[in-house]
Amino acid sequence: SYVLTQSPSVSVAPGQTARIPCGGNNIGSKSVHWYQQRPGQAPMLVVYDVNSRPSGIPARFSGSNSGDMATLTIHRVEAGDEADYFCQVWDNTHDHWVFGGGTKLTVL
Amino acid sequence: QIQLQQSGPGLMKPSQTLSLTCAISGDSVSSDSGAWNWIRQSPSRGLEWLGRTYYRSERSEWFNDYAASVRSRITITPDTSKNQFSLQLNSVTPEDTAVYYCARDLSDGYKFYGFDNWGQGTLVTVSS
Repeated sequence: SYVLTQSPSVSVAPGQTARIPCGGNNIGSKSVHWYQQRPGQAPMLVVYDVNSRPSGIPARFSGSNSGDMATLTIHRVEAGDEADYFCQVWDNTHDHWVFGGGTKLTVL
Repeated sequence: QIQLQQSGPGLMKPSQTLSLTCAISGDSVSSDSGAWNWIRQSPSRGLEWLGRTYYRSERSEWFNDYAASVRSRITITPDTSKNQFSLQLNSVTPEDTAVYYCARDLSDGYKFYGFDNWGQGTLVTVSS
């Protein structure tokens, strides 16, 4: 089964840029989606298809994908961005969705 | 605005069948622009996709995909008369304890673009 690897935690000061990596074998060939999850809430889609944003998601959120790494980038980080972030891809070998283990973003 | 409303029991005993329902408003379970998924989340397993159901009008056919980890125990069923879909998971064990979510997977009919709408989540505890 396809495996997505995420760092457990990332810390950043307010106003700075957070980069949240998601590793996978040749993930650059896949469409990657990203979710934000605050405590006690359902996940929320923040980036889909590598670098598209659903309506209502600020342009501070962007994505990139190349080789074995996809990255969610959050510019001008705010306190409200503190949450867990998950990456997701479709495993077309086994026909199922796969999630990464999640990265906790801490805003210092 | 699309809303997904989950219902079902939160406490179960081992070997019972877990049954959850997700009622859809603002979209149709038989729409070509979506797929209807069940996902669960636990501290030990993280976010785990369980399966989905979707309809494609050009083929007049329903499709189901299931995760290998639960394929022998799971059924996801659409109900067009009530515009909802349901999860059944047989022979539950304490390992099935998790928060269960339903979610819509946005689609253009060919490609899927992630889960843009989620239910509120249901904590299911399996304990004797």
